[in-house]
Amino acid sequence: SQQGEEDPQALSIQEGENATMNCSYKTSINNLQWYRQNSGRGLVHLILIRSNEREKHSGRLRVTLDTSKKSSSLLITASRAADTASYFCASWNTGTASKLTFGTGTRLQVTL
Amino acid sequence: GAVVSQHPSWVICKSGTSVKIECRSLDFQATTMFWYRQFPKQSLMLMATSNEGSKATYEQGVEKDKFLINHASLTLSTLTVTSAHPEDSSFYICSARGGQGRQFFGPGTRLTVL
Repeated sequence: SQQGEEDPQALSIQEGENATMNCSYKTSINNLQWYRQNSGRGLVHLILIRSNEREKHSGRLRVTLDTSKKSSSLLITASRAADTASYFCASWNTGTASKLTFGTGTRLQVTL
Repeated sequence: GAVVSQHPSWVICKSGTSVKIECRSLDFQATTMFWYRQFPKQSLMLMATSNEGSKATYEQGVEKDKFLINHASLTLSTLTVTSAHPEDSSFYICSARGGQGRQFFGPGTRLTVL
């Protein structure tokens, strides 16, 4: 399977704490994207980082990319209860059959 | 931002019947659409890539005769689950590729086969 791995599988933190999720992928990529999914709902695009970028910020989100290690991390700072969701990384592979390959996901629970 | 809709949002059917799910890009043209399947508490698995006017490309292990995909226009792709069985019960999500390579996802369709 070309599916990427994410860790942790599940993460439970208190409101105000930071949450860090890690993603590893298997093939060369054009970019890597992070998505959020509330239970039973569709995907919400959070942030895209290109293969020539190392770090990107968007509001309370910070994404890093290490192409030498084929890994990325998503940091959510000052978490809120509303951040409770599943988070997926998705790598956009190079080549003619370009497609998004999703990681296994991290289920984040933020408690009050 | 670009919007992708899916219809129906949920469907319950009897075993052996066929179910059609529609995916529409509402405000942009999509030459390429993708269909994913997601089981509870699992990730999205790509089933097939559909290009307007041509046959879909199925991922390994996905039965093309079971999951019929039609992409007849630049704004509509359909997935038909033929002779559905309980093991086909899942969350089906489509996405459409817009400009600059961005992919926009539909809200998903929950299929329950009794």
